[in-house]
Amino acid sequence: GAVVSQHPSWVICKSGTSVKIECRSLDFQATTMFWYRQFPKQSLMLMATSNEGSKATYEQGVEKDKFLINHASLTLSTLTVTSAHPEDSSFYICSATKSFDTAGTNTEAFFGQGTRLTVV
Amino acid sequence: RKEVEQDPGPFNVPEGATVAFNCTYSNSASQSFFWYRQDCRKEPKLLMSVYSSGNEDGRFTAQLNRASQYISLLIRDSKLSDSATYLCVVTPGFQKLVFGTGTRLLVSP
Repeated sequence: GAVVSQHPSWVICKSGTSVKIECRSLDFQATTMFWYRQFPKQSLMLMATSNEGSKATYEQGVEKDKFLINHASLTLSTLTVTSAHPEDSSFYICSATKSFDTAGTNTEAFFGQGTRLTVV
Repeated sequence: RKEVEQDPGPFNVPEGATVAFNCTYSNSASQSFFWYRQDCRKEPKLLMSVYSSGNEDGRFTAQLNRASQYISLLIRDSKLSDSATYLCVVTPGFQKLVFGTGTRLLVSP
């Protein structure tokens, strides 16, 4: 099956520094990837849609200058949390959707392992 | 109103019990429906897709009611290993997924 790899799985950083998280689709090309954030005991919240070769689409309330997304190739999207603060501490997960038919109705989302970010 | 709503639980059931979760969605144009399972501090993993005719996979049965805009998941003969959070997922558009808050299940000996 399709595999999505996310790195690092956990990171601790000082307040004010930047952290980059990588998301790779290992055995399929993903023109679109999604970045989610999950706070404890809450649901996955979509932050942004990463589009290969073009600008990311951010959900309402997500600061695009703070969460920089780059999708330079069909297998790699990166999320950079700039000037991280303790309130950015969360579980960040990427996903890529693979369609099994041309209509796009038979799809499955594959998730990276997630990155637990702790800002101190 | 949230796009996808679930009872967060937790549902506490003994081993061997049958438990059912429901999920409602607001976008009538939604095309695809899934149940994902998420273990603590792990990424979600697909449990099963939900088809209009209903589908079964071992102890798990999923059903879709488009008229009432809800989907359900039934787990029979619960196992300790079934303890997890079950996420209802809806696709309102191509590839984009919308997650419910998840329903937490705790199966006890």
